[in-house]
Amino acid sequence: NAGVTQTPKFRILKIGQSMTLQCAQDMNHNYMYWYRQDPGMGLKLIYYSVGAGITDKGEVPNGYNVSRSTTEDFPLRLELAAPSQTSVYFCASRGRNYEQYFGPGTRLTVT
Amino acid sequence: LAKTTQPISMDSYEGQEVNITCSHNNIATNDYITWYQQFPSQGPRFIIQGYKTKVTNEVASLFIPADRKSSTLSLPRVSLSDTAVYYCLVGDESTNAGKSTFGDGTTLTVKP
Repeated sequence: NAGVTQTPKFRILKIGQSMTLQCAQDMNHNYMYWYRQDPGMGLKLIYYSVGAGITDKGEVPNGYNVSRSTTEDFPLRLELAAPSQTSVYFCASRGRNYEQYFGPGTRLTVT
Repeated sequence: LAKTTQPISMDSYEGQEVNITCSHNNIATNDYITWYQQFPSQGPRFIIQGYKTKVTNEVASLFIPADRKSSTLSLPRVSLSDTAVYYCLVGDESTNAGKSTFGDGTTLTVKP
């Protein structure tokens, strides 16, 4: 069981570039989440999904898009990267007892 | 969504019991409460989950009063390795199924 995996681990983007952060889980969980965490701060919910084909906005969705075509994968797309999107991004999935399992994170810098 | 409030930081010494309280005054009937631990440069790790009264597992206890407007994470006999940020999370299963919002967390520093 790999749990929740994220790629890449690190990435540097130039302003205006786009990229996709990958997230996959092998626990057959329906619920998946994307969070961002700025230095010294808590986690902010970007988008979440309650199952394949269903996604919804969290607290800070602007500048991001998601899709959920399968139960396993929940990619996060950044269009037109801005310095304000410099952060650490965590993907998570939720088990039956409401516990969330987090991936190792992607550290993104936009310059 | 239920907003959560936690102390920003707490200090303790090795071997002591630590209690971290989270306030969630507008928790809804179907909401659940979970707690997480986060070390620097890592994703949060689930500790414990509860709905009401007391829950205990091998690492912590969770106390939830009858009105459910707060919850207290209890860590018995902490060690230096328990230095971390602890988050309380109230999950909304009523009006926003699946949506969850983390608070700002409590930084626990355990001293020798």
